[in-house]
Amino acid sequence: ELKVEQNPLFLSMQEGKNYTIYCNYSTTSDRLYWYRQDPGKSLESLFVLLSNGAVKQEGRLMASLDTKARLSTLHITAAVHDLSATYFCAVDLFNTGTASKLTFGTGTRLQVTL
Amino acid sequence: DAGITQSPRYKITETGRQVTLMCHQTWSHSYMFWYRQDLGHGLRLIYYSAAADITDKGEVPDGYVVSRSKTENFPLTLESATRSQTSVYFCASSARQARKNIQYFGAGTRLSVL
Repeated sequence: ELKVEQNPLFLSMQEGKNYTIYCNYSTTSDRLYWYRQDPGKSLESLFVLLSNGAVKQEGRLMASLDTKARLSTLHITAAVHDLSATYFCAVDLFNTGTASKLTFGTGTRLQVTL
Repeated sequence: DAGITQSPRYKITETGRQVTLMCHQTWSHSYMFWYRQDLGHGLRLIYYSAAADITDKGEVPDGYVVSRSKTENFPLTLESATRSQTSVYFCASSARQARKNIQYFGAGTRLSVL
């Protein structure tokens, strides 16, 4: 059974600081997703990481994937209040190039304070 | 409007009642999914569908029934609601395409079973 663990579960950080969210998973997979969820809202796709060593960046967020270590990281650079949200990683079980059958981590709730 | 819509957005029901949550997408995506979101569990897959008339169980299917007679609709039915089914339910869809297979989520239905 695939297990996906995120840490920390809750992160309070000051504006301007850097931090990293970690996502570990238990079964081989070369496809990993990061989603963002604002309170009471739906999930929004941030990144898709498709191979070992993949790195994607959008604004102050950068995601990477190490399939050998079964680890993905979401790095936040110089946090701003607008980044406050819950971030989920999700791992694809299928690996077949068809539909993704996702197993989600429990989420990391990020709170950026002044 | 184009996209993926869920209805109702909020529902209160009583134990033992049958409840149907609706999901409609206008992208003609092949794949559709139902998740439930509970604190401490992230999102868990209930059922998914690869095409009209093709459905399969996810991680937590007990107590739920799905159907997919048309590509664009994927209703989820709780045949006899229980308090443990109080949750936020998300529908998602994805196209049948190589590699990325991003899932796009609806706004969610908040269900309370009293």
